[in-house]
Amino acid sequence: EADIYQTPRYLVIGTGKKITLECSQTMGHDKMYWYQQDPGMELHLIHYSYGVNSTEKGDLSSESTVSRIRTEHFPLTLESARPSHTSQYLCASSPTRGGNQPQHFGDGTRLSIL
Amino acid sequence: AQSVTQPDIHITVSEGASLELRCNYSYGATPYLFWYVQSPGQGLQLLLKYFSGDTLVQGIKGFEAEFKRSQSSFNLRKPSVHWSDAAEYFCAVGDGFQKLVFGTGTRLLVSP
Repeated sequence: EADIYQTPRYLVIGTGKKITLECSQTMGHDKMYWYQQDPGMELHLIHYSYGVNSTEKGDLSSESTVSRIRTEHFPLTLESARPSHTSQYLCASSPTRGGNQPQHFGDGTRLSIL
Repeated sequence: AQSVTQPDIHITVSEGASLELRCNYSYGATPYLFWYVQSPGQGLQLLLKYFSGDTLVQGIKGFEAEFKRSQSSFNLRKPSVHWSDAAEYFCAVGDGFQKLVFGTGTRLLVSP
């Protein structure tokens, strides 16, 4: 069973605030991902990492930034939140070995910017 | 670039009836294919995957999917639906490295 944790689960906050969404996994996976998901819509990859000190932008442009200082931790930061950032953010991880391994997902953070 | 189409936004099935959710993909090479399920307020849970070999893949919770290369399809099936199967179902295709592209999802409603 996957062990990947996201905090907070829900966040309602005002415009202009700095926000950090936490994601941690205990499986030792090298690869980690952040997706953005609007209600009734598909998941869009916004950031991914192949390992420590590796970060890449995904297919959907995002004003957020990420860091990967430790294998188990992949936080996402919004320096100045705006209402357009309101969405659900899902974190995932997968092992390195060969090809496309299944990604294991956290339960998500539902973010609302007022 | 790969893409996934799930033509049905919503499907309603009676409890105990059979289910088929459609998924069509576009990818130039042999695809890596996945089905995930998402319950309200939760993340995605892997139901099954196809990499190669037998084109009929068995997954968890009694689900199966069949890969048909000639039709570029990877449809999900279950012979008898339970009320607890009501959720959002996502089909995804991998690029052979680590990026997945997801379909828009199909919401399954189960009627009594």
